[in-house]
Amino acid sequence: AQKITQTQPGMFVQEKEAVTLDCTYDTSDQSYGLFWYKQPSSGEMIFLIYQGSYDEQNATEGRYSLNFQKARKSANLVISASQLGDSAMYFCAMKSYDKVIFGPGTSLSVIP
Amino acid sequence: KAGVTQTPRYLIKTRGQQVTLSCSPISGHRSVSWYQQTPGQGLQFLFEYFSETQRNKGNFPGRFSGRQFSNSRSEMNVSTLELGDSALYLCASGGSREKETQYFGPGTRLLVL
Repeated sequence: AQKITQTQPGMFVQEKEAVTLDCTYDTSDQSYGLFWYKQPSSGEMIFLIYQGSYDEQNATEGRYSLNFQKARKSANLVISASQLGDSAMYFCAMKSYDKVIFGPGTSLSVIP
Repeated sequence: KAGVTQTPRYLIKTRGQQVTLSCSPISGHRSVSWYQQTPGQGLQFLFEYFSETQRNKGNFPGRFSGRQFSNSRSEMNVSTLELGDSALYLCASGGSREKETQYFGPGTRLLVL
């Protein structure tokens, strides 16, 4: 069965430091997409970054980058130069042809 | 471009009632997906509509249904509400397939008493 694991329920990071949020996944599908979303306390899910299973290069979007290790089935999110506004829940998600699953999320708190 | 809109934002119902939630996707998007988010179960996929047809479905009972109109607006209906249906219901514009990025609305918070 497909599954997403985010082993860090909560994390703290100092403002301006970099932080890595872990995500491992389990699937037997060959083609799939990996996504990261941010959910502030307001509730809205904000798309951050996407990585396709056949993409050879790691995805980057501004301060966000995805450390994709296909053989290890991991897709860790790296946030550089953390800001106070980065405090939120972060969800890793995987999609294959007819399945969409989300991980349990990691709560990130940025400390001034 | 306007984002995804959901109405109402907050709703209180009692057990046994039914509820209809509405979602308007980003202009030009033909796919709308619905998710339920609870503290216990996390984010779970309900279903997806594409061009007025249900394209994908999660593992929820038949009390949960939806539809999509020709203008891509979608409604989700929950009949015979149970306490466990209390949740944040999120609508996403954009497909549920592997390369399709989804953009979420602000959600509807449903409380069942």
